[in-house]
Amino acid sequence: SQELEQSPQSLIVQEGKNLTINCTSSKTLYGLYWYKQKYGEGLIFLMMLQKGGEEKSHEKITAKLDEKKQQSSLHITASQPSHAGIYLCGAYNNDMRFGAGTRLTVKP
Amino acid sequence: DAGVIQSPRHEVTEMGQEVTLRCKPISGHDYLFWYRQTMMRGLELLIYFNNNVPIDDSGMPEDRFSAKMPNASFSTLKIQPSEPRDSAVYFCASSLRRAPAFFGQGTRLTVV
Repeated sequence: SQELEQSPQSLIVQEGKNLTINCTSSKTLYGLYWYKQKYGEGLIFLMMLQKGGEEKSHEKITAKLDEKKQQSSLHITASQPSHAGIYLCGAYNNDMRFGAGTRLTVKP
Repeated sequence: DAGVIQSPRHEVTEMGQEVTLRCKPISGHDYLFWYRQTMMRGLELLIYFNNNVPIDDSGMPEDRFSAKMPNASFSTLKIQPSEPRDSAVYFCASSLRRAPAFFGQGTRLTVV
């Protein structure tokens, strides 16, 4: 099955700072999905990337897919406390599996 | 659409009891996934269905776990008998083909 490795495992940043989360796949990515989860809640879909070199943005969150490297990155610009949570990348092979997640804390 | 609906939100049960978790997927979605989330193991795929048919149940930890999808709008995950190590948050998700999966709010299961 497809293995997804996320880095870092956790991240603490000061409000207003930029940050990047990475997701690396053990297999070729045909589509990658980013989700956000707040404690005790379900996963919220953020973005889907399907093509190599594709880049998508939603508010201050930008995600890119580098298909050659089997990698995706999620970048948050000018972080806010509302960005805090766990970010997970997911990918389809025959089923949908996820990385271990990156726990983001934003200090006001 | 109300999204994926799971019930109950919280379940506390005694070891050895049967537990049934329920899920109503988004109408029209043809894939349904059951996941388990723990601090130690993260989000694990237990089983998934396509058009109500179980496709891969290799993630189901033991024979104590079983899942059914009798129709397109309902699925259950049953644990019998339950054990303390089954304590986790169980998520149901649904998707249309390989479009993104949408998750329910989860069921927090505590087995004492």
